[in-house]
Amino acid sequence: NAGVTQTPKFQVLKTGQSMTLQCAQDMNHNSMYWYRQDPGMGLRLIYYSASEGTTDKGEVPNGYNVSRLNKREFSLRLESAAPSQTSVYFCASSLGFSGGKLAKNIQYFGAGTRLSVL
Amino acid sequence: SQQGEEDPQALSIQEGENATMNCSYKTSINNLQWYRQNSGRGLVHLILIRSNEREKHSGRLRVTLDTSKKSSSLLITASRAADTASYFCATGAYSGAGSYQLTFGKGTKLSVIP
Repeated sequence: NAGVTQTPKFQVLKTGQSMTLQCAQDMNHNSMYWYRQDPGMGLRLIYYSASEGTTDKGEVPNGYNVSRLNKREFSLRLESAAPSQTSVYFCASSLGFSGGKLAKNIQYFGAGTRLSVL
Repeated sequence: SQQGEEDPQALSIQEGENATMNCSYKTSINNLQWYRQNSGRGLVHLILIRSNEREKHSGRLRVTLDTSKKSSSLLITASRAADTASYFCATGAYSGAGSYQLTFGKGTKLSVIP
C-alpha cells in the first residue's frame, strides 16, 4: 500500500553539484508529475509525463531534466544545483488515460524531498 | 503562473465552528479540486467538482463552484483540531496530446483551536 514513494527525504547540496530525485508509484498510473513548493507560492509544475515514453515542460522547467524510466518511475535531475533551487519537491501520479478515456485525474502525492542548496 | 488564488491566506477558528475558504481562478477549467496538506507532508485529495456541477458534498465538506464568477468555496462544518492544515484549490484542464494538468493556488492555512 505504498502509493507514491520519493527518495531521498532530505538532501543538502553545494552550488554546482548534481543529483537525481527518484519517484516510484505502484498504482499502475499512466501520468506522473514533478512539482516544487516554495513558501507562499503554492505548488508549481516543473515537468510532467502524460504517459510512459513522453515528457513535457511545466511552468518552471529551467535547471531541471526528467526521465520516465518506465511506467512506475519518474526521476528529476538537477545538473548544476543553484541556491534558487532550494525547495520542497513533490512527485505525484494520476491515472491519466485509461481505456481510451481520460479519467477524473485525481493526483496522489509522495511525502516530498526537502532540498537545500548552499 | 498561479491559476487559483485562495482567500483568506490564513484562518483561525475554534473547534466546532465552520471554516470557509474561497478560491478564484482566471481561465476556463474542466474541473476544480481541493487538496489538504498537513505540516511536512504531501498533499491529499479531498474533493473534485466538475465544471458542469454547482455543489458537491463529502462528509463534513461542501464545495460550490460558480463558473460565471470563476470562483469556488470549500466549507468544512463542525471543525476539529485534526482539520488544522493548509488547503489548496487546483484547477484542472486538458491540454492536448492526452495531457492533463493541475494548477494550484497558494493555499489557505487553517488553524482549529481546541
